[in-house]
Amino acid sequence: TQLLEQSPQFLSIQEGENLTVYCNSSSVFSSLQWYRQEPGEGPVLLVTVVTGGEVKKLKRLTFQFGDARKDSSLHITAAQPGDTGLYLCAGADNQGGKLIFGQGTELSVKP
Amino acid sequence: DAGVIQSPRHEVTEMGQEVTLRCKPISGHDYLFWYRQTMMRGLELLIYFNNNVPIDDSGMPEDRFSAKMPNASFSTLKIQPSEPRDSAVYFCASSLGTGETEAFFGQGTRLTVV
Repeated sequence: TQLLEQSPQFLSIQEGENLTVYCNSSSVFSSLQWYRQEPGEGPVLLVTVVTGGEVKKLKRLTFQFGDARKDSSLHITAAQPGDTGLYLCAGADNQGGKLIFGQGTELSVKP
Repeated sequence: DAGVIQSPRHEVTEMGQEVTLRCKPISGHDYLFWYRQTMMRGLELLIYFNNNVPIDDSGMPEDRFSAKMPNASFSTLKIQPSEPRDSAVYFCASSLGTGETEAFFGQGTRLTVV
């Protein structure tokens, strides 16, 4: 069974700080996705990384896919209260391509 | 398109009762997924359909759970009989494909079984 482990589970920081969230697996994934979920809503896709070593930037968010395609990271620069939410990584399993989600990282950015 | 539509948003029911959750996927999406989210277990895939046909139901917890997709625009997830441990937020999602294709989620149904 392919599993995705995220760390940390919870993160509480002050506005303006930088942070990194990690998503790790012992399995190779053809691609990984990052979603953000706000309270009372469903997850919304932020980015998909496909190539090993790939780096994608979305304003203050930087996503990286590991060279071996077993891990990914999300780095937020100068966090803002609006970044508060649950960040989920997801990968397609090797049998059928269904999406498997990590447990998520609950981020709280205090003003 | 209005996105994935789920109903009801909230459901409170007594143990032993039947519960039916409903989902309308985005028009044109061939894949429909049912997920369950809890604090302990995170977001778990219960079952998914391709072109209205169930492809993988290995995540369905037990026989009390059943899902149907009678047509391309409607799916149901039924729990009969319901138990307190079924309390969770249930999400429906749809997509054009699997793998790296984006999944679009509904707002979820918060189920409480007392």
